Amino acid sequence: EDQVTQSPEALRLQEGESSSLNCSYTVSGLRGLFWYRQDPGKGPEFLFTLYSAGEEKEKERLKATLTKKESFLHITAPKPEDSATYLCAVQDNNDMRFGAGTRLTVKP
Amino acid sequence: DGGITQSPKYLFRKEGQNVTLSCEQNLNHDAMYWYRQDPGQGLRLIYYSQIVNDFQKGDIAEGYSVSREKKESFPLTVTSAQKNPTAFYLCASRISGTGTFEQYFGPGTRLTVT
Repeated sequence: EDQVTQSPEALRLQEGESSSLNCSYTVSGLRGLFWYRQDPGKGPEFLFTLYSAGEEKEKERLKATLTKKESFLHITAPKPEDSATYLCAVQDNNDMRFGAGTRLTVKP
Repeated sequence: DGGITQSPKYLFRKEGQNVTLSCEQNLNHDAMYWYRQDPGQGLRLIYYSQIVNDFQKGDIAEGYSVSREKKESFPLTVTSAQKNPTAFYLCASRISGTGTFEQYFGPGTRLTVT
């Protein structure tokens, strides 16, 4: 069965302190890996899609990378407004599966 | 302004009552989805629909029902048979037939049943 595991569950950073969030997955026939940002009480906001190992996508302070077994969301010099829960999801031939998310807090 | 709307934002019901959550999209997306989100868990799929008048059960369909009479609308009914209905419900949609699979989400409805 497909599995998506995100780590850590929670991450606290100081403003400007770069770090990475991990999403490891097992899936048969990856059709895409997705990163979303979710603010409290709101729906997830789409960030990136990655399709194949070696692919990278960037948006402002965020950079997503993909290998055959995991994806990283790198956050460079984060700001307090980057505080949110980041969700990872994988699409196989049939379904999209979500991880439980990493709750990121960036302190000023 | 294209997007997905869910209403209401908050919903309170007594145990034993059925309740219907609204989801509307004007993105001209073919596929629509309902998920449930509980603290510490990933989103879990309740139902999905790829075309009008057709829908399939997801992983946790028991106690829920849906309809898809229009492309734009995919309402979810939480019935009294759902044992733990209190949760955050998310509707999503995506375009079909393009080889891309990203789903776009509405703002969610928080349902509290007491």
